[in-house]
Amino acid sequence: EDKVVQSPLSLVVHEGDTVTLNCSYEVTNFRSLLWYKQEKKAPTFLFMLTSSGIEKKSGRLSSILDKKELFSILNITATQTGDSAVYLCAVEAEGAQKLVFGQGTRLTINP
Amino acid sequence: DGGITQSPKYLFRKEGQNVTLSCEQNLNHDAMYWYRQDPGQGLRLIYYSQIVNDFQKGDIAEGYSVSREKKESFPLTVTSAQKNPTAFYLCASTRTGWVGQPQHFGDGTRLSIL
Repeated sequence: EDKVVQSPLSLVVHEGDTVTLNCSYEVTNFRSLLWYKQEKKAPTFLFMLTSSGIEKKSGRLSSILDKKELFSILNITATQTGDSAVYLCAVEAEGAQKLVFGQGTRLTINP
Repeated sequence: DGGITQSPKYLFRKEGQNVTLSCEQNLNHDAMYWYRQDPGQGLRLIYYSQIVNDFQKGDIAEGYSVSREKKESFPLTVTSAQKNPTAFYLCASTRTGWVGQPQHFGDGTRLSIL
């Protein structure tokens, strides 16, 4: 059975800190790994990763995939209160046409 | 603007009652999905549909039913057989064969039991 595990489940830091969120997975015939940010309602797409070792970057957020060790990390530098959200990791298997989600990491940034 | 519309935002169900959650998209996407989100459990797949008039069960389909009579619409019925329906329900869509195409989500419906 395909499985995604995120850690930590909850994280509280001060504004300006750097955080690293982790996502490990077990999936038959891996195709892609996705990161989403969920504030109050709809998850919004952040990154899709398909290749090992290639960093994807968007402003203060970056992510990288390790297909050998079966994990991905999401880094947020110089955190702001607006980064407070639940961050979701999901994987897709080849031919599955559906995503398997982890439990999410609830990130709280205190001013 | 293209997007996914879920309604209602909040819904209350009485014991023994069936309720239907609406999901409409104008993105011309072929595939649509229903997820359930409980606190601390991420998103779990209920049902999904790749094309009109066809759908598959996800991981937690028991107590739910769906239909896909139109490409734009994928309503979810929470039946009285679903004994613990209180949750946040999210609908999503994407293009079929979506290499490099992430799922887009609606704003969700929060269902509670009276």
